Amino acid sequence: KAGVTQTPRYLIKTRGQQVTLSCSPISGHRSVSWYQQTPGQGLQFLFEYFSETQRNKGNFPGRFSGRQFSNSRSEMNVSTLELGDSALYLCASSFLGADTQYFGPGTRLTVL
Amino acid sequence: QQQVKQSPQSLIVQKGGISIINCAYENTAFDYFPWYQQFPGKGPALLIAIRPDVSEKKEGRFTISFNKSAKQFSLHIMDSQPGDSATYFCAAPNSGNTPLVFGKGTRLSVIA
Repeated sequence: KAGVTQTPRYLIKTRGQQVTLSCSPISGHRSVSWYQQTPGQGLQFLFEYFSETQRNKGNFPGRFSGRQFSNSRSEMNVSTLELGDSALYLCASSFLGADTQYFGPGTRLTVL
Repeated sequence: QQQVKQSPQSLIVQKGGISIINCAYENTAFDYFPWYQQFPGKGPALLIAIRPDVSEKKEGRFTISFNKSAKQFSLHIMDSQPGDSATYFCAAPNSGNTPLVFGKGTRLSVIA
């Protein structure tokens, strides 16, 4: 069974630009969560989607948004990029309500 | 929001030694405590998990010890190997808005 895939793996953007990251969950998983990982803050929850609906949202500004498609694939968008948005963005998928989350390799975003 | 406090931040262990990483949580309603392992360039992967109905769970060289009264759980890596060098995260399910809340991670280096 293929794992969680994320594209692109690396991105370099400049301040003020926007970016879209993509995540394809494990086949059969309909719950997709996004996390931001930084050296200082660790793994911080961004949002969770299930059946194209956002179920939960973390404490991030409105510049961070996401969506999920009918095939469970998910995208997250960050608008008006700031230097502090430089991070590894991780996507995780699971069955709804399952304890175990399966992570993708992440997208490394660098904002210059 | 639930906090999970992890220590130490970094750990250096001799090959063959025992690595011990500790986590403390707040919410006694939690019923699932996983440890994730992350290698550079990869997303976190579930290593081992425990439910509070047992005080210890062992899988190979990896053991979780759980102390419900102290609200603490720890990861022990016996006979540590250089291949165990990675970042380890403890986590707990959040009764609020996030699927999992993670500790800030422990960077383990096993030296020969």
